[in-house]
Amino acid sequence: GAVVSQHPSRVICKSGTSVKIECRSLDFQATTMFWYRQFPKQSLMLMATSNEGSKATYEQGVEKDKFLINHASLTLSTLTVTSAHPEDSSFYICSAPPVAGGNTEAFFGQGTRLTVV
Amino acid sequence: SQKIEQNSEALNIQEGKTATLTCNYTNYSPAYLQWYRQDPGRGPVFLLLIRENEKEKRKERLKVTFDTTLKQSLFHITASQPADSATYLCALVFSGGYNKLIFGAGTRLAVHP
Repeated sequence: GAVVSQHPSRVICKSGTSVKIECRSLDFQATTMFWYRQFPKQSLMLMATSNEGSKATYEQGVEKDKFLINHASLTLSTLTVTSAHPEDSSFYICSAPPVAGGNTEAFFGQGTRLTVV
Repeated sequence: SQKIEQNSEALNIQEGKTATLTCNYTNYSPAYLQWYRQDPGRGPVFLLLIRENEKEKRKERLKVTFDTTLKQSLFHITASQPADSATYLCALVFSGGYNKLIFGAGTRLAVHP
């Protein structure tokens, strides 16, 4: 199956700093990537959809100026958490969506555990 | 409002027994329903998908049913093993657009030797 590589797997940063998370499709080209956030024992919540060559689409309630998404190429999407605060501490996961009308699986990165201190 | 519900309580079963997990949804009409496994600190891994016009799907020890009238899917693991212990997520897929997945919160399964 397709491989989505996400880095870093863990990051600890100081409050007020910015953190960049990378998501790469290793053996396929992804024109779209989904970014999710997951709090402990809760569902994956879709934050935004990144689109290669155009602006990301954000879900309701997600601050686009805080969570900057860039889809610079067909193999790389990045999420930057700007001016991070402790409440941004969470598990962030990227995913290449199903293709062919949804009749296939989504491929997920390994996830990034962000801790803001 | 639209909801996806999975058993929030952990499911504890004995090795060798069949585990049955439930996914109920309201106010959605998905084209597909998918099941994923998630281990602690890792991204979800795909297990099975079932289409809206299918009643049942099987893969090795896994079986999924899909009842669009009841708006429910059941996920079965037969002959369960301790290695099956994980959180299992159901996800609804809606055709069109970017094929978004909407996830339930997951059910944690613990299989005891």
